[in-house]
Amino acid sequence: GAGVSQTPSNKVTEKGKYVELRCDPISGHTALYWYRQSLGQGPEFLIYFQGTGAADDSGLPNDRFFAVRPEGSVSTLKIQRTERGDSAVYLCASSLLGQGPTPLHFGNGTRLTVT
Amino acid sequence: KNEVEQSPQNLTAQEGEFITINCSYSVGISALHWLQQHPGGGIVSLFMLSSGKKKHGRLIATINIQEKHSSLHITASHPRDSAVYICAVPADGQNFVFGPGTRLSVLP
Repeated sequence: GAGVSQTPSNKVTEKGKYVELRCDPISGHTALYWYRQSLGQGPEFLIYFQGTGAADDSGLPNDRFFAVRPEGSVSTLKIQRTERGDSAVYLCASSLLGQGPTPLHFGNGTRLTVT
Repeated sequence: KNEVEQSPQNLTAQEGEFITINCSYSVGISALHWLQQHPGGGIVSLFMLSSGKKKHGRLIATINIQEKHSSLHITASHPRDSAVYICAVPADGQNFVFGPGTRLSVLP
């Protein structure tokens, strides 16, 4: 079946512009995670959704970053007034919420370059 | 907060060698994930394990809950195994903390 889909796969934008990154999770997965990964580092947590609500947004670095998941499926990560330091691969993952731990499924990421 | 360490940071092996990558964490967990990331590629989940050992093809993952330690082994390594291997453990609630990754290069 279809996995987690992220679009676009690459995004180049100028400093100060606004960008939106989209994540389409596996159908039926209630949990959705956004991570950011810089070169040579492990993924860094940004925000986690349980259904439509953000259960934990403590990883968002500042108020320029915002994410929504209005219908509990597709999520959009929005970055305002982009800065060069925002350049990274933005990863989305989804999983089923169950009684115990469940596998994580990752998308291929969106590589954001801010020039 | 769970702290996750991995060793080695980088590993170069010859094709056919047996490989071990280690992961240790600071806070008790319900399950640990091993992930694989190829250069420029997305992350693939290899294993999720709560105890003992799991095997999938040439990959074997073990975990010692008491010692807060897990290992990923690759038997008969192949150049296509070259990737970054990351372990991940639960943080608060349903969130995860990721290790820094081990970069593996298998030479032909």
